[in-house]
Amino acid sequence: GENVEQHPSTLSVQEGDSAVIKCTYSDSASNYFPWYKQELGKRPQLIIDIRSNVGEKKDQRIAVTLNKTAKHFSLHITETQPEDSAVYFCAASNDYKLSFGAGTTVTVRA
Amino acid sequence: SQTIHQWPATLVQPVGSPLSLECTVEGTSNPNLYWYRQAAGRGLQLLFYSVGIGQISSEVPQNLSASRPQDRQFILSSKKLLLSDSGFYLCAARMTGKETQYFGPGTRLLVL
Repeated sequence: GENVEQHPSTLSVQEGDSAVIKCTYSDSASNYFPWYKQELGKRPQLIIDIRSNVGEKKDQRIAVTLNKTAKHFSLHITETQPEDSAVYFCAASNDYKLSFGAGTTVTVRA
Repeated sequence: SQTIHQWPATLVQPVGSPLSLECTVEGTSNPNLYWYRQAAGRGLQLLFYSVGIGQISSEVPQNLSASRPQDRQFILSSKKLLLSDSGFYLCAARMTGKETQYFGPGTRLLVL
């Protein structure tokens, strides 16, 4: 089955700086890669996703890049704000199921 | 757009008691449905998924079971709860023909 590894497990950044989270996957057949943000005590919320036929996607301060050859994808958050503090999960899928990374706790320091 | 309901929102149960958590989905037909568990400070563990009525796939052998008696209803059950069953239980749905899974609000279960 698919195995997704996510790094780092914790990330502390100064407000206004950028944050980068990296994930690798094992199954070359995976073709869909979503990112979820989970605030304390809440449900995970989809923030951006990318499909294997696209190398990069951007939505305001958030961007995701995908390298199919190396089987890794990354989340980039620019101009971080206090409300970006949360746990972020990457995932990979090629059928009915999503395989999640272990999560990255992002703390934005004011 | 689809809406996912879960109840109860919170539950405190003694060890050895039964469990029934319910998930219902509005705004879509024939969704794929999923049960996840999240232990405190941990990641998302897929427990069960269903692609249709009466069709259940189990990902992790344990004392939990799932059923899908109706197209948009997914139930998670246990006959006897263990302390290790404590956690945040999330139902997710994926619309037919789409790839994205959306999560319900979750049920927080504490087994004492």
